[in-house]
Amino acid sequence: DAMVIQNPRYQVTQFGKPVTLSCSQTLNHNVMYWYQQKSSQAPKLLFHYYDKDFNNEADTPDNFQSRRPNTSFCFLDIRSPGLGDAAMYLCATSRAGLAESYEQYFGPGTRLTVT
Amino acid sequence: GQNIDQPTEMTATEGAIVQINCTYQTSGFNGLFWYQQHAGEAPTFLSYNVLDGLEEKGRFSSFLSRSKGYSYLLLKELQMKDSASYLCAVKDSNYQLIWGAGTKLIIKP
Repeated sequence: DAMVIQNPRYQVTQFGKPVTLSCSQTLNHNVMYWYQQKSSQAPKLLFHYYDKDFNNEADTPDNFQSRRPNTSFCFLDIRSPGLGDAAMYLCATSRAGLAESYEQYFGPGTRLTVT
Repeated sequence: GQNIDQPTEMTATEGAIVQINCTYQTSGFNGLFWYQQHAGEAPTFLSYNVLDGLEEKGRFSSFLSRSKGYSYLLLKELQMKDSASYLCAVKDSNYQLIWGAGTKLIIKP
């Protein structure tokens, strides 16, 4: 089945210790997104890629970086995690183009704990 | 600013019908999505509306009124597995998704 995969599902890191979360997709979608979601809150878009074009949201902290080496893979790097970065990180994909109806397909998420 | 409003929590009984409302104020409108999210899991797509009216999909229906900036998700014949959060999201003029915080639906036997 075509899908969006995220690894690991649970990640524990220490305050200030860099961490990388990964996402892969077999849907061959051009657009990939990274969201941060805290409990009972809306998903917050951090950045997205349209093919190799990187789009950073204005309020995404510099502490968050991303890489997309190819169509299938995308990484989220948190350079110096703080306690406030503990959250669920969701990767999503969608088809490219401006068709309004293109929904986003989500991976299962990575739950990040910062100790 | 852009804003999506949904009730924080609703409770309903198994077998009943529940309506979850969503109102929005966004810069432009290119469609409205409903997603279901079980606790600790990723959102999954339920429905999409871009024209006024009702879209029906099995036990779930979604309604849109663009002039009122209003949508609802109607769930019929509620089952225990429908206990989840339901997120409303609107695509704005830049085709970016603006998300609501979600409505936590609790189903009681």
